Amino acid sequence: DGGITQSPKYLFRKEGQNVTLSCEQNLNHDAMYWYRQDPGQGLRLIYYSQIVNDFQKGDIAEGYSVSREKKESFPLTVTSAQKNPTAFYLCASSSRTSGGDTQYFGPGTRLTVL
Amino acid sequence: AQSVTQLGSHVSVSEGALVLLRCNYSSSVPPYLFWYVQYPNQGLQLLLKYTTGATLVKGINGFEAEFKKSETSFHLTKPSAHMSDAAEYFCAVSEEYGNKLVFGAGTILRVKS
Repeated sequence: DGGITQSPKYLFRKEGQNVTLSCEQNLNHDAMYWYRQDPGQGLRLIYYSQIVNDFQKGDIAEGYSVSREKKESFPLTVTSAQKNPTAFYLCASSSRTSGGDTQYFGPGTRLTVL
Repeated sequence: AQSVTQLGSHVSVSEGALVLLRCNYSSSVPPYLFWYVQYPNQGLQLLLKYTTGATLVKGINGFEAEFKKSETSFHLTKPSAHMSDAAEYFCAVSEEYGNKLVFGAGTILRVKS
């Protein structure tokens, strides 16, 4: 089955640690996205990538980093510089980057800072 | 800049009653509009979207939405609520370049038996 996988489902981090969230898709999509979800705030865009080896900052990129070395993979690193990282993180992909193209979402990773 | 406003963070309806979830947007150019549904601790699933053409859009699970440019609205409706419709619903807008989605804050729908 084609789809988007995210791992782990739950992740716990101590303050000062960097953690990496995995996102993999087998849909052959060009574009991939990372969103952060907080209660009552909807989803906010962290980073997005339109093609391999290229990515752009979204609205809340500070304290995060990404890479796009392969078409299928778009990992997100939450660094110690992110002041309030506890949230639900969602990865998405779309076949093209033109407006109106449907974004398909993974099941999410819930990150908790201890 | 684009923005999306969803009126009502919580909506409660009885099973069998009409569901109406409100969404208004601001955009300097003709927008593309989406409704997604999210069940607890899961990802988002597309219900329907408007790109061009017919302004009344039908989606999955009996939902539909109407794009009204004059009112900058894209309200989601379903004639008869079912218990399985209980979830959080998000309205979103994107523009032509980059396909970045801007989301509303979400509306939690409760269905009473």
